[in-house]
Amino acid sequence: NAGVTQTPKFQVLKTGQSMTLQCAQDMNHEYMSWYRQDPGMGLRLIHYSVGAGITDQGEVPNGYNVSRSTTEDFPLRLLSAAPSQTSVYFCASRDRVDSPLHFGNGTRLTVT
Amino acid sequence: GNSVTQMEGPVTLSEEAFLTINCTYTATGYPSLFWYVQYPGEGLQLLLKATKADDKGSNKGFEATYRKETTSFHLEKGSVQVSDSAVYFCALIQPGYSTLTFGKGTMLLVSP
Repeated sequence: NAGVTQTPKFQVLKTGQSMTLQCAQDMNHEYMSWYRQDPGMGLRLIHYSVGAGITDQGEVPNGYNVSRSTTEDFPLRLLSAAPSQTSVYFCASRDRVDSPLHFGNGTRLTVT
Repeated sequence: GNSVTQMEGPVTLSEEAFLTINCTYTATGYPSLFWYVQYPGEGLQLLLKATKADDKGSNKGFEATYRKETTSFHLEKGSVQVSDSAVYFCALIQPGYSTLTFGKGTMLLVSP
């Protein structure tokens, strides 16, 4: 059982480049979410989805797009990367509302 | 809105010392409360949870009691080990909401 798989593990981008962070889960979880983790800021929610075809904004959505065409996948797109988006990104999923979140191992992104 | 406040770290202890990491929250109603742990280079994983007042969550020697009267969920362990060195996050989820609110995390460093 792979759980939540994030790719890539590391990425370096130049300002203005675009890329997609991939997230896949094999637990048939309806809820999926993206967080960024920055020193002193804890975890901040970027976008989340409560099921295929449904997405919503979190606390810090600007500069990021998401889509949820299948239950398994929840990619995060950076359309024009900025240095402020340098961070560690975590994808997480869960079953019921009061179930624990299952996290991937993160993608460390550096924007120069 | 909801918020979670944790003591700032790092918390530095010697092996076998007693650990307390404070967590207080602001929320309406009766949220479910969680402690997550993040080991170096990994995503977060659930450590313990409590879903109603006076519940005690416990796991791996860690305990936390849901105190409605003081809106607190302090994490304790009687005797820490070097392997407990990690970042600990307190979190809550409000009934009827989809998303968790995390504290900023507390780093624990345990020396031999």
